[in-house]
Amino acid sequence: NAGVTQTPKFQVLKTGQSMTLQCAQDMNHNSMYWYRQDPGMGLRLIYYSASEGTTDKGEVPNGYNVSRLNKREFSLRLESAAPSQTSVYFCASTGGRNYGYTFGSGTRLTVV
Amino acid sequence: LAKTTQPISMDSYEGQEVNITCSHNNIATNDYITWYQQFPSQGPRFIIQGYKTKVTNEVASLFIPADRKSSTLSLPRVSLSDTAVYYCLVGAGNNRKLIWGLGTSLAVNP
Repeated sequence: NAGVTQTPKFQVLKTGQSMTLQCAQDMNHNSMYWYRQDPGMGLRLIYYSASEGTTDKGEVPNGYNVSRLNKREFSLRLESAAPSQTSVYFCASTGGRNYGYTFGSGTRLTVV
Repeated sequence: LAKTTQPISMDSYEGQEVNITCSHNNIATNDYITWYQQFPSQGPRFIIQGYKTKVTNEVASLFIPADRKSSTLSLPRVSLSDTAVYYCLVGAGNNRKLIWGLGTSLAVNP
């Protein structure tokens, strides 16, 4: 089915380890986003990419980097994981100005 | 960017109609109103979007008064599977600055 695919679904890291969260969409959407969701905080934007070749910071970018590899793929990298980055991470995409977001199923990350 | 206010939680019973109201006093002329549904351990899912008056799809209806300062999501004849968190967002559909609040946690009881 068309949509947004995230991998992995679950991950446990030790403090200081690095990892990359992968996201791909097959809807030919221009814009892609990475959010984190924490209890009592709602969804917060980490980074977004308005189109292929562009990325920009969102509300909580510290400790993260992103790569818009092509129109389909947008990855999120944690260079040195910290316990504060324990969260559920969602990738999303949008196809136009007045279309809603399509979200992936999320990655549950625990940093110990 | 328009801020939205919606109830933190609501309770209902199977078969009832549920109406969730969202206030957005500072909505801009170009803003759309979009509602999402989120189940535990899943990403939010688009439900419905509207600009003014009434919009209806196979899942819900969205009522928007003339002044557009509020909107009401109507879920007809809810079932247990409608238990979820519902978010109201105001802005252009791909606006990266959309503010996601805590939403309304709807509990549907048997």
